[in-house]
Amino acid sequence: AQSVTQLDSQVPVFEEAPVELRCNYSSSVSVYLFWYVQYPNQGLQLLLKYLSGSTLVESINGFEAEFNKSQTSFHLRKPSVHISDTAEYFCAVKRGGTSYGKLTFGQGTILTVHP
Amino acid sequence: DVKVTQSSRYLVKRTGEKVFLECVQDMDHENMFWYRQDPGLGLRLIYFSYDVKMKEKGDIPEGYSVSREKKERFSLILESASTNQTSMYLCASSLEGGAKNIQYFGAGTRLSVL
Repeated sequence: AQSVTQLDSQVPVFEEAPVELRCNYSSSVSVYLFWYVQYPNQGLQLLLKYLSGSTLVESINGFEAEFNKSQTSFHLRKPSVHISDTAEYFCAVKRGGTSYGKLTFGQGTILTVHP
Repeated sequence: DVKVTQSSRYLVKRTGEKVFLECVQDMDHENMFWYRQDPGLGLRLIYFSYDVKMKEKGDIPEGYSVSREKKERFSLILESASTNQTSMYLCASSLEGGAKNIQYFGAGTRLSVL
C-alpha cells in the first residue's frame, strides 16, 4: 500500500514571496503523483500531475512540482505567491496499473498568503 | 467541463437518523468515489464504484453503505448517523481505463450530526 506525508500542516507567507509545500510518498510500485487545491468553500481541483516523462511539471497559474524518485518526493513550488493562492493543497498518489484509479491523499497543507 | 454535483452543501441531522448524500456526474464516468475530509487527516476513501451496481470498500467503510443504480448517480448512506460522522463529504468521478485518469470533485456536503 502507498502512503503520502505532507510535512507542513500550515504555511504562512507574505505576498510575492516564494513558497514550497513538501510532499513525500512511499510505495513499493510505480506511482502517479498529483497536487490538488481546495479554495475556501469549494471542492478539490487538479493543480498538476506527474504521469511520466519530464520530472518537472507546471500548472497554468505558476506552480511547479518536481518528481524525485530517489527521494520519493513531489514538492510543490511557486516563486512568487499571490493573495489568491490562499487555499488548502493536497498531495495525492495513485498506484501504477489498475486499482480503479484509487487515490491516497496526504493530510493537506493550508497556505495562507498575507499582504 | 466535467460537472460533479452534490445535492446539498450543508446538512444537519440528529443522531440515529438515516442520511442520504447524493452525487451526480454528467460525463458518463465509470468510476465514482466517496471521501470524507477531516482537518489534519486529509481525504479518506469510504467507498468507490467502478460500474453500475458494483461497489468496493475503501479505507473507512464502517458505518456507511452506498448505492449505484444508475451510472451517473452514486449515493452514500449513513444507516444510523452518529456524532463522529460529522464531517465534510466529497464525491468524485473519473473515467475507466487505468490509473492515469483524473478524479473530478464535487463541492462537498458539510454534514453535522447532533
